[in-house]
Amino acid sequence: KQEVTQIPAALSVPEGENLVLNCSFTDSAIYNLQWFRQDPGKGLTSLLLIQSSQREQTSGRLNASLDKSSGRSTLYIAASQPGDSATYLCAVDAASGGSYIPTFGRGTSLIVHP
Amino acid sequence: DADVTQTPRNRITKTGKRIMLECSQTKGHDRMYWYRQDPGLGLRLIYYSFDVKDINKGEISDGYSVSRQAQAKFSLSLESAIPNQTALYFCATRSSGSSYNEQFFGPGTRLTVL
Repeated sequence: KQEVTQIPAALSVPEGENLVLNCSFTDSAIYNLQWFRQDPGKGLTSLLLIQSSQREQTSGRLNASLDKSSGRSTLYIAASQPGDSATYLCAVDAASGGSYIPTFGRGTSLIVHP
Repeated sequence: DADVTQTPRNRITKTGKRIMLECSQTKGHDRMYWYRQDPGLGLRLIYYSFDVKDINKGEISDGYSVSRQAQAKFSLSLESAIPNQTALYFCATRSSGSSYNEQFFGPGTRLTVL
């Protein structure tokens, strides 16, 4: 069974810092990995998706990398802003009965203070 | 208009009542998912459907049932609600027709069972 772990569980930083959020998974036979942002009480917003054949994806100040062999992904946030405060979740598509279904980590709760 | 909608957005009910949560999407996606989110536990998959005639149990299907009425509609039912089903419920969709098949989420339904 695929297990996804996100470290740290919570993070509080001053504005302007560069951040690294970590996601690890136990089964390297994944189809893709997706990073999401969730604001309190809201739905999930897709940030980046990395296919299993890719090493990284970038969108603005966000960069996500994937190392399948070590079962790790990182989300790098450059020059953090208070508006980045949210919970960040990663989800991996793992094989299950001939298809791929998503498994989520528990998230990293980020606070960026002015 | 939102691409993935959920109704109701909030619901308070009593133990033993039957509850239906509805999800509709205008993205034309074939795959739909129901998740629940509990504080500290991340998102867990309840049921998923790859098309109208293909419905599968997820990690925590006990106490739930689903109906895929059309490609655009996927409903989740609690036949006899119990307090530990109090949670935030999310519907998600994705397309199998693209290699970049990210998930898109609805805004969520907050369910409280008294």
